[in-house]
Amino acid sequence: GQQVMQIPQYQHVQEGEDFTTYCNSSTTLSNIQWYKQRPGGHPVFLIQLVKSGEVKKQKRLTFQFGEAKKNSSLHITATQTTDVGTYFCAGPGTVSGGYNKLIFGAGTRLAVHP
Amino acid sequence: DAGVTQSPTHLIKTRGQQVTLRCSPKSGHDTVSWYQQALGQGPQFIFQYYEEEERQRGNFPDRFSGHQFPNYSSELNVNALLLGDSALYLCASSLVGTPGGVFFGQGTRLTVV
Repeated sequence: GQQVMQIPQYQHVQEGEDFTTYCNSSTTLSNIQWYKQRPGGHPVFLIQLVKSGEVKKQKRLTFQFGEAKKNSSLHITATQTTDVGTYFCAGPGTVSGGYNKLIFGAGTRLAVHP
Repeated sequence: DAGVTQSPTHLIKTRGQQVTLRCSPKSGHDTVSWYQQALGQGPQFIFQYYEEEERQRGNFPDRFSGHQFPNYSSELNVNALLLGDSALYLCASSLVGTPGGVFFGQGTRLTVV
């Protein structure tokens, strides 16, 4: 079945360093979504990318959707301790009757050392 | 404007028992999805409800069942609990036909002993 894979599984950085997580799908996606889950919290929606090659920025976060719409990345510039958490990408699964489900990657856990 | 609310927040059950988890979607949302998140993993889709009907289902056994009420709130029922059912159960709400992400509740932490 459809799979969404993320690397790396863990990333430890010093505060101020950059961070990137990569997401790859086994199938072409109509869109890709990114979520952040703080330790002990729940996933919070960050952004959705729809177009091939799309790049979107949210302050220090840059999101990219690959040209083939099978991969995506999230880059954080100059990490801060508030960036700590697990970042998930998610793609829509099989559409049935107009309804779809989200297939999540396993996530990249980011630790930021002050 | 209340977000997605789930109850209870924590629950401990014994193997073989049955459990019911509850979810109220964000105001204005009509679609509820349930996810299971094991420790260190991403959320796994269980099923989705819209207009009181199950619309999509993930790879979960029939022990997992659900319901949606006319006010859009939802319940997740799990029968014959197994140790492996221990996880964070997340409810996510959205408005059908609206692009963008879903809104998750804070989850119910289920421990089966």
